[in-house]
Amino acid sequence: DTEVTQTPKHLVMGMTNKKSLKCEQHMGHRAMYWYKQKAKKPPELMFVYSYEKLSINESVPSRFSPECPNSSLLNLHLHALQPEDSALYLCASSPRQGAYEQYFGPGTRLTVT
Amino acid sequence: AQKITQTQPGMFVQEKEAVTLDCTYDTSDQSYGLFWYKQPSSGEMIFLIYQGSYDEQNATEGRYSLNFQKARKSANLVISASQLGDSAMYFCAMSHTGNQFYFGTGTSLTVIP
Repeated sequence: DTEVTQTPKHLVMGMTNKKSLKCEQHMGHRAMYWYKQKAKKPPELMFVYSYEKLSINESVPSRFSPECPNSSLLNLHLHALQPEDSALYLCASSPRQGAYEQYFGPGTRLTVT
Repeated sequence: AQKITQTQPGMFVQEKEAVTLDCTYDTSDQSYGLFWYKQPSSGEMIFLIYQGSYDEQNATEGRYSLNFQKARKSANLVISASQLGDSAMYFCAMSHTGNQFYFGTGTSLTVIP
């Protein structure tokens, strides 16, 4: 099973709202990733968790707050977002951080109004 | 700095024909991995094929093969017998130990009936 699930599929939120994106995998992978993707652009890495510890934070604004409660779950908490944060948010996992294939979830399409 | 270059923003191919999507990379590391992903309009990134820098044989997965030319630092994707369902965005990516993926800018492939 190479499935990564993400919820919700679509999210519309106002600039004052607080919401969370959820990602789950049951492949025993120990590295999990959050990406942001704008239309017709490649994914941009936001965060990497390795063995449930934050390994990489690509200078992401503090209005995005990641959390890794256990080895299967990854959350992205959103607060006070801006319209330019509207994008497709992709979660991925890999056996370990490094030169391993990453398996992606279907993504959450976020619209900030 | 690591870099992935995809020089073909858009490609067209006749159904049942083969097509090659170009990818060149730049790295000073000896150990790295090269990947190709397919992203249909639905948004999900689908892992297609992997080539390790020390692999002497070109990787193949069904109708996908990777033409790896290490000296030229190229990792072109060959899709044989194109199908309508192959119409999508294709991203080349590179990773090496301890670091994140670097994605190219992508190639939009359209299969013509």
